[in-house]
Amino acid sequence: DSGVTQTPKHLITATGQRVTLRCSPRSGDLSVYWYQQSLDQGLQFLIQYYNGEERAKGNILERFSAQQFPDLHSELNLSSLELGDSALYFCASSAASGQGVGTIYFGEGSWLTVV
Amino acid sequence: SQQGEEDPQALSIQEGENATMNCSYKTSINNLQWYRQNSGRGLVHLILIRSNEREKHSGRLRVTLDTSKKSSSLLITASRAADTASYFCATDEETSGSRLTFGEGTQLTVNP
Repeated sequence: DSGVTQTPKHLITATGQRVTLRCSPRSGDLSVYWYQQSLDQGLQFLIQYYNGEERAKGNILERFSAQQFPDLHSELNLSSLELGDSALYFCASSAASGQGVGTIYFGEGSWLTVV
Repeated sequence: SQQGEEDPQALSIQEGENATMNCSYKTSINNLQWYRQNSGRGLVHLILIRSNEREKHSGRLRVTLDTSKKSSSLLITASRAADTASYFCATDEETSGSRLTFGEGTQLTVNP
């Protein structure tokens, strides 16, 4: 158990809909990362937050947004969903401040299926 | 975009044999890490090697890093069926400083 909690574990939704994925980082970790894993694109970095502020942005679509709340949990919002958004979405956390990344700890992921 | 490229994409060996996986990357890095993923599960950190280190050991794992060639290798000795998983290298690029960029992974199958 990494200590990173993600909900829901599985989600099936229709095209055009909006979903919210939730992540609770390990106790004490200030950095939260979101990754998307799909068969055709591998593991893609989406976005990182540190102590409530966005620190780095990767291949995140404009239809996707994220935030980190004062209690350090984070949410990834996916809207106007398309079939191609079906993937495993991971949250990870670390104690790093952003100046160099040490070990990051992954949750078990949220399986999103868009039908 | 992918920073690391793993080689081979898939590897099948017998229990007790050694498994070697390679990773190449493109830019200067602060450190390189290896992670393991069982099918459909979260990634688990295995080992981190800093850019000023050349070799590191952890149990049955040995990692080497050659920054001049921008490459790393992961050796698993005396493999077990439970080592069956996907293995990913991940780089902390000097210019990004805030993310790990993962390769496409090597699928290792250890046959009993």
